[in-house]
Order: sequence, then C-alpha cells, then structure tokens
Amino acid sequence: EVQLVASGGGLVQPGRSLRLSCAVSGFSFDDHAMHWVRQAPGKGLEWVSGITWSSGSTGYADSVEGRFTISRDNAKKSLYLQMNSLRVEDTALYYCARGDAATTMGALDSWGQGTLVAVSP
Amino acid sequence: QLVLTQSPSASASLGASVKLTCTLSSGHSNYAIAWHQQQPEKGPRYLMKVNTDGSHNKGDGIPDRFSGSSSGAERYLTISSLQYEDEADYYCQTWGAGIVVFGGGTQVTVL
Repeated sequence: EVQLVASGGGLVQPGRSLRLSCAVSGFSFDDHAMHWVRQAPGKGLEWVSGITWSSGSTGYADSVEGRFTISRDNAKKSLYLQMNSLRVEDTALYYCARGDAATTMGALDSWGQGTLVAVSP
Repeated sequence: QLVLTQSPSASASLGASVKLTCTLSSGHSNYAIAWHQQQPEKGPRYLMKVNTDGSHNKGDGIPDRFSGSSSGAERYLTISSLQYEDEADYYCQTWGAGIVVFGGGTQVTVL
C-alpha cells in the first residue's frame, strides 16, 4: 500500500522557519518525482514545489521562490520542504504528493494526509 | 503561460450524469491533465490522467462511472450515475518543465 506521511507542521511567527518532512512507503521512491501542494483555509489547491527523482530538477511556485527549498533523501525514502521567512499567507494545510514519472513533474497520482502550518504573530 | 480554467460549480440530480470541463490555455492544447477529487473535510484523491487523444488511466479503486475524455484544448471528467458521495470539489492539474498547475476547482452538488 502506498503511504505518504507528512509531518513537521506547527504554529510559527512571521519571519521564522519550519521544515516539513514526508516519509513514504509502499513504492519505489526513486522512481518518482515528488511534490508539495498546499491549501489555505477555504481555498483551492496550490502547487508549492516539485523535485525529480535524482534531485536534478526542482520547481517552485512564484509565491515561495527564494524562501522555500525542496529536497529529498532517496536512501531514507523521505521528502523535505525547508520554509524560511514565513509569511501569514503561507498558512495552509501542506500535502506531499507523488508524481507519476521520475524525470518530469507529471500527474500527482498519490497524496498524503497533510500537515498544518499556521503563521501568526 | 500555462493556465487551467474550470467552472466554479456544477450540479445534477442523484443518478444523473455531470460533465466537468477543464480548459488549457492557448498554446497548450497538447498537454495531458489529471483529475483529482476532494470530498468535504478530506484530502485530495487522484482520479485519472487524461491524455490528448482522450485516453485515460484511472487510479486504483476509482469506480467505472468516472470517465475522462478530450477535445482540442478541453479535457473532461464525466461522472455517471451520480451518488451523494460524489459531492466534492474536483480539480484538474497539468505540468510543464519545472512547473505544476492546478485549475481553480469545480464544486459539484448532488441534488
């Protein structure tokens, strides 16, 4: 069974940092690109960042470019999102998701349960 | 710029069919898309990938009454024999070089 378990969310003040993790099981991690997607309260899905299997290619939404860094450890079957200079508007439920291909961003074909990030003074 | 456009809402009666549309921006009509369902208070669930030729690859356990199709720059999700459990938000998603894009979502109401 494919499982993606996100963790690391919490309540932080604006300007501070947070690191999210996503532990996966049930599939060959290094055969897939991986992504972070967020959903602010009452809003739609917003792609945050993605990374190909070898970390050779990464992508970021304009809203987080320069502040967030995605990475992965294939040996640990884990995905990470380092979030710096957090803003109130980064408040959202953050999901990790699997891409259906290794070398392109692809269709997101499996989703984790989400971890909540709240940024407030 | 790669953009997906969806109608904000759709409705149909229990047991009827509903067809949702996702429109790709100009110059991107050859892109495949994926459909995702998000039921109230739940996380998203992958439904299927719809290719340019209308072929589609469904996720595990997705009922047969969900189907996908394509015409030009439009990609469709049809839900037949609508059930109350199909009341949800439906998002289309596509991708390019280093980017993933979601449509704004369509809220489906079962009457």
